[in-house]
Amino acid sequence: DQQVKQNSPSLSVQEGRISILNCDYTNSMFDYFLWYKKYPAEGPTFLISISSIKDKNEDGRFTVFLNKSAKHLSLHIVPSQPGDSAVYFCAAKWKRGGSRLTFGEGTQLTVNP
Amino acid sequence: NAGVTQTPKFQVLKTGQSMTLQCAQDMNHEYMSWYRQDPGMGLRLIHYSVGAGITDQGEVPNGYNVSRSTTEDFPLRLLSAAPSQTSVYFCASSEPQGANTGELFFGEGSRLTVL
Repeated sequence: DQQVKQNSPSLSVQEGRISILNCDYTNSMFDYFLWYKKYPAEGPTFLISISSIKDKNEDGRFTVFLNKSAKHLSLHIVPSQPGDSAVYFCAAKWKRGGSRLTFGEGTQLTVNP
Repeated sequence: NAGVTQTPKFQVLKTGQSMTLQCAQDMNHEYMSWYRQDPGMGLRLIHYSVGAGITDQGEVPNGYNVSRSTTEDFPLRLLSAAPSQTSVYFCASSEPQGANTGELFFGEGSRLTVL
C-alpha cells in the first residue's frame, strides 16, 4: 500500500503565481515530512521539511503546511519562477530506522514564463 | 567537496549478469541508503545502513545485496540481473540519527538497463 501519495502527476502555473503541491499520508509513525526537488539527470535535493509537531514551516518563497488530522501536507511556492520547474517529491521520515524515508510518486511542476 | 559519488553513471547488462554499483561519501555520514526510481512510483528504498557493519532491508530488497565495511562506502550488488531491475538508482547519505530531520544528500544517479 502507498503510505505517501501525491495524487497529481503534473501541475502547470504561470510565472509569478502561486504553486500548490499536495501530499497525503496514511501512517502515524512518521516524525518529519520533507519536500525534495529533482531536475532531469540529477539527484533529488532537499528543499524544506516540517516536524510532525508543527503546522507550518517557511523558508523564503517556500512554505510547507501540515494538517495532522487530515494526514495531509502541502508545499506552497510564491511567487513561482521558471527555474522552479522540476519534479517535486514529498517524503516522510520514519521515527525509527535512521533516516529511512518513504517517498510519494512525484509531481512535475512546470512554471510558464 | 565531492558529497555523494556514484559510479558508473550508465550501465547496460544482460539478464543473469551481476554487477556492483559503487557509492562513496566524504561527509562522514553514518546513514547511507540506496533507492531506485521508476516512472510513476517515486523513489523506493532498497537497503540502508545506520553505520559501518550494520545494514537492513528497505521496501524492495529482493535481488540486491549490500555491505558496509567502512563509513565512506556503501556498494549495491545485483546478484543476477533481471529486466525488472532496469531503473535509475540513487545513493543517499545523512547525518547521525540524533541530529537528523531526514535530510538526505543524494548522488547523481546510476542508470541501469537490463536486456
